[in-house]
This record gives sequence, structure tokens and C-alpha cells, in this order.
Amino acid sequence: EVQLEQSGAEVKKPGESLRISCKDSGHDFAKFWIGWVRQVPGKGLEWMGLTYFGGSDTRYSPSFQGQVTISNDKSISTAFLQWSSLKASDTAMYYCARQKDFYIHSWGQGTLVTVSS
Amino acid sequence: QSALTQPPSASGSPGQSVTISCTGTTSDVGGYNAVSWYQQHPGKAPKLIIYEVTKRPSGVPDRVSGSKSGNTASLTVSGLQAEDEAEYYCFSYTVNDNWVFGGGTKLTVL
Repeated sequence: EVQLEQSGAEVKKPGESLRISCKDSGHDFAKFWIGWVRQVPGKGLEWMGLTYFGGSDTRYSPSFQGQVTISNDKSISTAFLQWSSLKASDTAMYYCARQKDFYIHSWGQGTLVTVSS
Repeated sequence: QSALTQPPSASGSPGQSVTISCTGTTSDVGGYNAVSWYQQHPGKAPKLIIYEVTKRPSGVPDRVSGSKSGNTASLTVSGLQAEDEAEYYCFSYTVNDNWVFGGGTKLTVL
């Protein structure tokens, strides 16, 4: 079974930087895109963007363009979601997700990011 | 881009059928056969239950079905069971190589 293993929960202060990760243990990971999905507590799912292991292509939702950076390191089959300056409104659960053929095949367990002074 | 429109809530008694709608535009739902549906129980990651409008992944019971007409996709859950109580989200490919979720529908089994 494909496993997406996400890094652990984070507690940060406003203005701090952060990078969370998602390791794809599937043998065919290079065929897939890894997307990131935000879920603010008590709210719905929001698609943020995705990155392609097979190349350097990255796409962003207009809502998140310029707010975060999505990247990957194919050599370790790991995708990253990065903030340069966190805000309290970034507090949320962040899921990584395997995307291909226009849908999400599988999900990581989620990384809870809490931003509070 | 705006989220796809779903009713905030839906409900039905055990054994009944419930249909959840997901309305978009010709730039997303109506323009592509690329609508999928996800079930999320509280505190859990979402799970794929329908892809490419009508297809079911292995392990999803055939009492779960999907359809689309124009700019509106629908998810139908027949023979409601207690375990079906969850949040349901639609998801669609859109123009400019983007994707968008619906706002989510909380399904209550009465």
C-alpha cells in the first residue's frame, strides 16, 4: 500500500519560517504529483498546489500563490511545503496527497501547524 | 477561484438514499469529466470514494455512485448506514491546470 509519511506537528510564532515534508514510499512515486491541501479547524478542504516528482513543474492555486512555496527532492522522494513568515491565519491541518489523472489517489496523515504568539 | 457549491448539510434515515450536489461552471465541473468525491470522518484524512465522475475505487461499496449533468455533479449514497455519517467533498479539475474543492456537505444518518 502506498504510504505518504508527513512530518510531525509544529508550533511556531508569527513571523517565523517553516518547512513541512511529505515522503512518498511508493515504488512508482516519479509518476505522480504531490499536492498540498489545507484544512483550517472546523472548516473545509482547500487545494493549495502541487509539485511533480518527474520534473520541476509546480502549480499553485491563485489563493496560495506567493503565500507558500511548494517543492520536491526526487532523490529522497519527498515533497515540501514552506512558509517564509507565518501568520496566525496559517494555523491548520495540512495534508499531502498523491495526484494523478485528475484526482487524489491517496493522502498523508496530516501535519498540524499551530501559529501563536 | 471560488469553491464549488455544495449544500452544507444532508440527512437520511438508515436504509434511505441521499444525494449531494456539487455545482460549478463550464470552467470546472461542466468542462471536464474530472470530478471526484472524498469522504472524511472526524479527525481522519479524507478518503477517495468516486473518481472521474462515476468510477468507484476498489473497496467502495456499489451503493455509492456518482453522476454529472451540465455544471452539476452528484453523489448518491443508497442504503444509508451509520458509518456513512461523515463530511463529503467534491473536487474538480479546472482551467489553467488548477483544482478546486467544494465547500463540503455534512451527512447525518438519523
